[in-house]
Amino acid sequence: DIQMTQSPSSLSASVGDRVTITCRASQSISTYLNWYQQKPGEAPKLLIYGASSLQSGVPSRFSGSGSGTNFTLSISSLQPQDFATYYCHQSYSTPPRTFGQGTKLETK
Amino acid sequence: EVQLVESGGGLIQPGGSLRLSCAASGFTVSTNYMNWVRQAPGKGLEWVSVIYTGGSTYYADSVKGRFTISRDNSKNTVYLQMNSLRAEDTAVYYCARDTSGYNPLDYWGQGTLVTVSS
Repeated sequence: DIQMTQSPSSLSASVGDRVTITCRASQSISTYLNWYQQKPGEAPKLLIYGASSLQSGVPSRFSGSGSGTNFTLSISSLQPQDFATYYCHQSYSTPPRTFGQGTKLETK
Repeated sequence: EVQLVESGGGLIQPGGSLRLSCAASGFTVSTNYMNWVRQAPGKGLEWVSVIYTGGSTYYADSVKGRFTISRDNSKNTVYLQMNSLRAEDTAVYYCARDTSGYNPLDYWGQGTLVTVSS
């Protein structure tokens, strides 16, 4: 099974900051890497798919990059509504389709 | 409009069984890859199971042999039959759609809570 490792597990930042979250796969997954945002009490929401494609309706301050085993999610200028937990997810292999352990983005 | 609505969660004793339903609207479940993902209280997301368009099914090792995913095309609904439930199965269960088998999970339901406790 492919293991997904996110870092950091938590991150403190302020409105207007640029933040970056990293996700590493235990083997190459090409660009079959997706990012989700989850707020308390809500279902996850797809932000980025195919490592770098922005889902429709997602603000352009979100961006993704990477291929193979190393990936990043960046938020260029944090807004109050961006404080949430972020998960990476690989859709490369036959199941299981694994998630990273999550990164909780908190206000400083 | 694409919509997924889960139901069937509740409080169940260890060793018991429960069947979750995921009613879809705005698209056809049989032409998509339908997944179940769960989230234990305060924990991260865990992929549970998927049913492919051709009917093939896959499971996480943690539920293999105890859970069964199925669908009813006439009702446009996906199910998760959960048997031999354990305390560690306590979670919010979400259903989610993948349109190709290698795509992301683009639509999710609101989730249904399963609590396994005596």
